[in-house]
Amino acid sequence: SQQGEEDPQALSIQEGENATMNCSYKTSINNLQWYRQNSGRGLVHLILIRSNEREKHSGRLRVTLDTSKKSSSLLITASRAADTASYFCAAGDNNDMRFGAGTRLTVKP
Amino acid sequence: DAGITQSPRHKVTETGTPVTLRCHQTENHRYMYWYRQDPGHGLRLIHYSYGVKDTDKGEVSDGYSVSRSKTEDFLLTLESATSSQTSVYFCAISEPASGYTDTQYFGPGTRLTVL
Repeated sequence: SQQGEEDPQALSIQEGENATMNCSYKTSINNLQWYRQNSGRGLVHLILIRSNEREKHSGRLRVTLDTSKKSSSLLITASRAADTASYFCAAGDNNDMRFGAGTRLTVKP
Repeated sequence: DAGITQSPRHKVTETGTPVTLRCHQTENHRYMYWYRQDPGHGLRLIHYSYGVKDTDKGEVSDGYSVSRSKTEDFLLTLESATSSQTSVYFCAISEPASGYTDTQYFGPGTRLTVL
């Protein structure tokens, strides 16, 4: 079973708009991570938020974590065509880290 | 790709043949992982290693074996490939503070097709 599940499965926006992706998980975690995957490439780590953190920023990325709702969101502000990719969350506990099926983001120029 | 290479990058093989995929790292990270990626499933962990000759099973280990005789190399073997093992295989490495649920760095992937 998947620990992390992203929503929506696909998202299409115009360049300059913000993109929000959500992740839900099932059990308690130590941290939650977001990764990006460009077509035909490996995953690239974007940001890690620990279970005792509520919000974290990295450039145009903002991640929130709500452990009471077992959910996280990734916000990409002022999106660019180069942000077109699949985005995955990965929920990690002491002994396991599981990825969701991803959100496919398309940013139209 | 963080000093991680995978070989081969593409392979087509027939059902019943053995296949070995290699992951090589130059980062001297302790942990190495093998995942498979299939549509609708995200990434699923096959096996991982936490040191030379130290390995453990992941979520989908049936039909796969691994070996790690050197820090820099982690081999994934399909003893007798089946069509259900057609997938894209990713190697990843990490040097976590504890456990293995910390930041991972991924290789470029190997696309395996079993006919």
